[in-house]
Amino acid sequence: GENVEQHPSTLSVQEGDSAVIKCTYSDSASNYFPWYKQELGKRPQLIIDIRSNVGEKKDQRIAVTLNKTAKHFSLHITETQPEDSAVYFCAAIPRSNDYKLSFGAGTTVTVRA
Amino acid sequence: NAGVTQTPKFQVLKTGQSMTLQCAQDMNHEYMSWYRQDPGMGLRLIHYSVGAGITDQGEVPNGYNVSRSTTEDFPLRLLSAAPSQTSVYFCASRTMTGPVGELFFGEGSRLTVL
Repeated sequence: GENVEQHPSTLSVQEGDSAVIKCTYSDSASNYFPWYKQELGKRPQLIIDIRSNVGEKKDQRIAVTLNKTAKHFSLHITETQPEDSAVYFCAAIPRSNDYKLSFGAGTTVTVRA
Repeated sequence: NAGVTQTPKFQVLKTGQSMTLQCAQDMNHEYMSWYRQDPGMGLRLIHYSVGAGITDQGEVPNGYNVSRSTTEDFPLRLLSAAPSQTSVYFCASRTMTGPVGELFFGEGSRLTVL
């Protein structure tokens, strides 16, 4: 199966600064990499995803980059705001079984005012 | 659309008791799944289903049973609860039309086993 490692586990940033979360995956055939955001006491919700045929994708203040050779992908949040405070999960799905989405352990992001 | 609905939101059990967590979706999604969330361990897949009558094991299936008699419902059963099953449980669904995409989560069910 797929093994996804996520770093750091906690991240504190000043409002307006950037935040970067990195994930590595084990299955070189993995082809779909979503990021989910979970606010305190809420359900996880998809914020951005990237497929293996693309190197970078942006949506307003968030972007995801994928390095297939190194088997890692990263979430970048620019101009952080208090509402960006949440737990972020990366995930990957192996080509061999696209029913088994594997999640990283999560990163707790705190944006300091 | 209500999306994915889970009940109950909170439950306290004693060791050895049984219970069922209910999950329903009204998006006509073929794929449904159950995850458990524990501190520092992310979301781990328990069981999943790709259609009525079809279920399969995920990463941590021991101690849990599932069935899928309809497209809409995917209950998770704990036959003999153990303290190690104290967790927050999420049901999630997605369409299987087109490439794999967004997983829609329910609000979660917090289970405590004493």
